[in-house]
Amino acid sequence: AQSVTQLGSHVSVSEGALVLLRCNYSSSVPPYLFWYVQYPNQGLQLLLKYTSAATLVKGINGFEAEFKKSETSFHLTKPSAHMRDAAEYFCAVSDGWIQGAQKLVFGQGTRLTINP
Amino acid sequence: DAGVIQSPRHEVTEMGQEVTLRCKPISGHDYLFWYRQTMMRGLELLIYFNNNVPIDDSGMPEDRFSAKMPNASFSTLKIQPSEPRDSAVYFCASSFFQARSTLHFGNGTRLTVT
Repeated sequence: AQSVTQLGSHVSVSEGALVLLRCNYSSSVPPYLFWYVQYPNQGLQLLLKYTSAATLVKGINGFEAEFKKSETSFHLTKPSAHMRDAAEYFCAVSDGWIQGAQKLVFGQGTRLTINP
Repeated sequence: DAGVIQSPRHEVTEMGQEVTLRCKPISGHDYLFWYRQTMMRGLELLIYFNNNVPIDDSGMPEDRFSAKMPNASFSTLKIQPSEPRDSAVYFCASSFFQARSTLHFGNGTRLTVT
């Protein structure tokens, strides 16, 4: 079964600083990997996804993530944080095209705070 | 497109009462999911449907929970009887197969059972 571990339930950075949110996964088959963002009182929105194409994936709002099979990681980065990036971020994994491919397993989430 | 629509946004009920949560997926999507979010357990998949048929309900916590999808544009999640430990935010999400697992979430229903 797949699983996701997000290192750090809370991350705080200054506005303009690098954002790095860590995600490690476990999967017995080639995974699909996702980052979602959740703003207060809203549902989750897709930031970006890896589906076995390019290992460096660019998403919305200036975020990107790199799939590293050797490290079983899919860390999320953004070069320069904005106040509007304050939210909770979730990493998720699925089994790709196997039956149940649509079934995502989410990490516990990382709350990102941006300091002025 | 209006996105995934959930109702109500907030529900407060007393222990023992029946609660019904509703979801309208995005038109044309063939997968529908129910997730529950709590501080302690994070996001848990309760059940999902493909073409209105339940595929995996292994996440449904107990027999008090039931879900139906009578047609492609409507699903319900029912809790009967409700208990305080059911208090959580319940999300509905939909997707279509060609989108490679990209889920579109509703804004959730915040359930409080007193």
